[in-house]
Amino acid sequence: DGGITQSPKYLFRKEGQNVTLSCEQNLNHDAMYWYRQDPGQGLRLIYYSQIVNDFQKGDIAEGYSVSREKKESFPLTVTSAQKNPTAFYLCASSNKRGPTDTQYFGPGTRLTVL
Amino acid sequence: GQQVMQIPQYQHVQEGEDFTTYCNSSTTLSNIQWYKQRPGGHPVFLIQLVKSGEVKKQKRLTFQFGEAKKNSSLHITATQTTDVGTYFCAGPYSSGSARQLTFGSGTQLTVLP
Repeated sequence: DGGITQSPKYLFRKEGQNVTLSCEQNLNHDAMYWYRQDPGQGLRLIYYSQIVNDFQKGDIAEGYSVSREKKESFPLTVTSAQKNPTAFYLCASSNKRGPTDTQYFGPGTRLTVL
Repeated sequence: GQQVMQIPQYQHVQEGEDFTTYCNSSTTLSNIQWYKQRPGGHPVFLIQLVKSGEVKKQKRLTFQFGEAKKNSSLHITATQTTDVGTYFCAGPYSSGSARQLTFGSGTQLTVLP
C-alpha cells in the first residue's frame, strides 16, 4: 500500500529455479530498495537504485540480480546461486530529492523454495 | 560501516504496562526514524527525529533523540493489544551519492491481554 505493489504475495519454487519478484511504485520516487527479512530478524539490504538504469549492491547481494529500466519498476531475481532463498522480501521506495530518507514499503512477497 | 543496535530483541508485557525500546548507532546520525511492523505485515513509518535532544509524542508513544545524536528511544505508555508488532529504528547512511537506511534488528513487542 502507499503506492507500492509487490506480486505475488506468496511464491513457491523448486530448488535450482530462478524466480523474479515484482515491485512497482506510482509515488514518483527516484530511489528503490530490496530487503530480505528472515523470521525474527531485521531488514537486510540486497540491492538499491537511486536512479533509472543504475543500481548498487547492498549488504547481501550474492545470488540476486536487479534491473531498473523504468522509474516505476524494480524487479528482483532470486537466482539458483542464492543458497538459502526462502525468506520474506520487501521492496521500498523513497524520494531522494526530499529532505528525509523515509522509506515506504510494499506488502512483501513470501518466497518458499522447496 | 554504520551499525545500528536495538535492545531488547523481545519484550512481553501485560496490557496496561509501559514498554521501552532503545536504539544505538555506531556513528552520529543526521536523523533517526522509527518504523512499526505488525505481525505478517510490512514496516510502516512512524516518525523522524532530527534535532539533538528532540522529543516527539504521538498519543501514547514518546520518541527521543539523544543529545549526541547517536541514540534514541521509543516509549509506549499503557500498552494496548494494538501495539503488538516489531519496532525498528533506522538511521540514514551515505556512501558517495547513494543514500540508504541502516535498520536496527528490531524489538518484537507482545502484549498479553
